[in-house]
Amino acid sequence: KQEVTQIPAALSVPEGENLVLNCSFTDSAIYNLQWFRQDPGKGLTSLLLIQSSQREQTSGRLNASLDKSSGRSTLYIAASQPGDSATYLCAVRPTSNTGNQFYFGTGTSLTVIP
Amino acid sequence: KAGVTQTPRYLIKTRGQQVTLSCSPISGHRSVSWYQQTPGQGLQFLFEYFSETQRNKGNFPGRFSGRQFSNSRSEMNVSTLELGDSALYLCASSPLGGAGELFFGEGSRLTVL
Repeated sequence: KQEVTQIPAALSVPEGENLVLNCSFTDSAIYNLQWFRQDPGKGLTSLLLIQSSQREQTSGRLNASLDKSSGRSTLYIAASQPGDSATYLCAVRPTSNTGNQFYFGTGTSLTVIP
Repeated sequence: KAGVTQTPRYLIKTRGQQVTLSCSPISGHRSVSWYQQTPGQGLQFLFEYFSETQRNKGNFPGRFSGRQFSNSRSEMNVSTLELGDSALYLCASSPLGGAGELFFGEGSRLTVL
């Protein structure tokens, strides 16, 4: 069974700092990997989707990389802002599934201090 | 384009009751998935529906069921509620033939007393 781990569980940084969030998964046979953010009591907002054939995706200040062979992905946030404070989750879709079943990590809770 | 809409947003039930949650996907999306989120277990996959057929099912008891209608709207039902069913229930939709990207709704917060 696919297991997804996110380290650290919590992170606190001063505003303006660049930071990296980590995601690792046990089975490299994935179709794609998706990063989300979740604000307290809210649903998940999609940030970036990386297909298994891709190495990275960028959107604004966010850059996500994927190393499928080593079972790792990183989310890089440049010039962090207080509005970036949220929980960040990664999820993988195994190739063994015919549908859209994703396995989620437990998230990294990010606090950006003004 | 409207996002994924879930109703109700909040509800309180007592043990033994049943509950039905509704999800309207993004227009044109035919895949609807349901997830349960709790502080202890995180996000866990319940089931997925595509063209009115259950395509995948997670490891949940038979008390959890769902269905999808011809307009792609989906409902999930939990019967004989237990205290441990208290959770945020999230619905996600995905486009047909797309990259499998998930788009989530705001969730339905269920509290079982």
